[in-house]
Amino acid sequence: KQEVTQIPAALSVPEGENLVLNCSFTDSAIYNLQWFRQDPGKGLTSLLLIQSSQREQTSGRLNASLDKSSGRSTLYIAASQPGDSATYLCAVRVVDSSYKLIFGSGTRLLVRP
Amino acid sequence: NAGVTQTPKFRVLKTGQSMTLLCAQDMNHEYMYWYRQDPGMGLRLIHYSVGEGTTAKGEVPDGYNVSRLKKQNFLLGLESAAPSQTSVYFCASSYWQAEHTDTQYFGPGTRLTVL
Repeated sequence: KQEVTQIPAALSVPEGENLVLNCSFTDSAIYNLQWFRQDPGKGLTSLLLIQSSQREQTSGRLNASLDKSSGRSTLYIAASQPGDSATYLCAVRVVDSSYKLIFGSGTRLLVRP
Repeated sequence: NAGVTQTPKFRVLKTGQSMTLLCAQDMNHEYMYWYRQDPGMGLRLIHYSVGEGTTAKGEVPDGYNVSRLKKQNFLLGLESAAPSQTSVYFCASSYWQAEHTDTQYFGPGTRLTVL
């Protein structure tokens, strides 16, 4: 059974720091891995999607890597800003007939001015 | 395109009452999903559909029923609401692709409280 774990559960950093969020999964049979952002009381915004054949994806100050063999992904945020404060969720798309997403429980990030 | 929309946005029920949540998408997606999100947790799959007229159980299906009579709509029903069903409910949809490389598109969520 696929399980997704995110560490740390919460993170508080001063503005300007570079930071890394971690995601691990137990079954390497995935179609893709996705990072989402969720603001309090809001829905999910897709940040980056990495196909199973890819190693990384970049968008602006965000860079996500994928090591499928070890079951790990990292989301790197450069030069963090208070506007980056949110919960970050990673999810893997499973290889079965449902093609559903299995989510981690998220990392709650606070960037202090 | 409106994308994925959910109705209602908020609802308060008493234990034992019933209700239906509506999800609609205008992207001609084959796959649709209902998830719930509880405090401090990720999203968990309740039910899903791989096409019009089909439904299947996810990880936490007990106490819920679904229907997909039209391709663009996916309904989630609570026949007899319980306090344990207090949660935020998200609907999502995606294309069918051979390699399922596309993202799922999420609605804004429905916040349900059962007293």
